[in-house]
Amino acid sequence: GDSVTQMEGPVTLSEEAFLTINCTYTATGYPSLFWYVQYPGEGLQLLLKATKADDKGSNKGFEATYRKETTSFHLEKGSVQVSDSAVYFCALSVNSGSARQLTFGSGTQLTVLP
Amino acid sequence: SAVISQKPSRDICQRGTSLTIQCQVDSQVTMMFWYRQQPGQSLTLIATANQGSEATYESGFVIDKFPISRPNLTFSTLTVSNMSPEDSSIYLCSAIGGATYNEQFFGPGTRLTVL
Repeated sequence: GDSVTQMEGPVTLSEEAFLTINCTYTATGYPSLFWYVQYPGEGLQLLLKATKADDKGSNKGFEATYRKETTSFHLEKGSVQVSDSAVYFCALSVNSGSARQLTFGSGTQLTVLP
Repeated sequence: SAVISQKPSRDICQRGTSLTIQCQVDSQVTMMFWYRQQPGQSLTLIATANQGSEATYESGFVIDKFPISRPNLTFSTLTVSNMSPEDSSIYLCSAIGGATYNEQFFGPGTRLTVL
């Protein structure tokens, strides 16, 4: 079945450091890929998405590129801030670009220290 | 974007009791879902809430334990029945549809603790 494997945390970085959170997937068909963020005490928010190979999703300084050849969708940010501290979830959906039936990775806790 | 609210935001319940969680969306949506997030873990889909018909449950979840209603296009409830400490989790409602068809919006979650 479909699955998402995400880099385990927790990850602790200093402010302005470079961030990479690895995500790889296994899916039948052609999945859409997503990164969600969960701030403390809140629900999930969509951070960015990519619906086909070589697409790059970006938002709030975060980027991720859909790499079909390596089945990966790694999340990157060049300079993290304290306010980026949250749990990040990689997810996929195989329903033709819709967000239906999301399969989530295990989540990565990020803490950014001032 | 769709704004989703849930009630209650948290509750502490006794073993053997039941709790009903409400999910309200501020616009009509096509699909609504219920997820469970156990402590320190990722999200697991419980079921798809179907408007006017029985919910579609994922493997490992049954209607007797998690009855779901969806009387209209903006509202759904999830009941956690005959609770045990293993049911302590965050329960999240989500929705897609209309102008947000390519994005799934999530509610803030209901944090349930069963003693």
